Amino acid sequence: QKEVEQNSGPLSVPEGAIASLNCTYSDRGSQSFFWYRQYSGKSPELIMSIYSNGDKEDGRFTAQLNKASQYVSLLIRDSQPSDSATYLCAVNKGSYIPTFGRGTSLIVHP
Amino acid sequence: KAGVTQTPRYLIKTRGQQVTLSCSPISGHRSVSWYQQTPGQGLQFLFEYFSETQRNKGNFPGRFSGRQFSNSRSEMNVSTLELGDSALYLCASTPGRDGSPLHFGNGTRLTVT
Repeated sequence: QKEVEQNSGPLSVPEGAIASLNCTYSDRGSQSFFWYRQYSGKSPELIMSIYSNGDKEDGRFTAQLNKASQYVSLLIRDSQPSDSATYLCAVNKGSYIPTFGRGTSLIVHP
Repeated sequence: KAGVTQTPRYLIKTRGQQVTLSCSPISGHRSVSWYQQTPGQGLQFLFEYFSETQRNKGNFPGRFSGRQFSNSRSEMNVSTLELGDSALYLCASTPGRDGSPLHFGNGTRLTVT
């Protein structure tokens, strides 16, 4: 089992819809969770950090963490074509270095 | 605050050569990590430096090495380049506390011919 798993996609949603991106992790001791957005040919950009169970909202983005079920998700409301990118989930289990998933490709079509 | 700065942005080298990449972290950040990203393998961790010491190391051959200077700037060196070393090399910095998110530079695109 991979340490951090994401569906590679592509996930295709229409403009204005909610995009739901999911990530599962294997280590129950994981403490810190991050979502990064990476446009093609660019470097990853931090979108959200979440450390406690529940929801964390920032603008159109909501991160959801459920440690008991070992998953973290990212919801993007009112999706825009500019949200089309690869979304990377990263999980830190206390080694200073997060483990990254392979990413989910999101396509928002007009 | 200025972000993480990586130089050069692009490099073309020949097999067998060596290359040095540079990274300047965000001011005040003491941890610098290096990653290799390829379409087939995703983001792979190379190593992390904190206060001039290698604190964590990934599973790469000894041809990949790095160092960190007293001002937290870091360099990564790849010797005896192979075609498979063609990749985007990313540097990221954090304050160094466990659980801090990584802040990435723009990367260096290395092409080995």
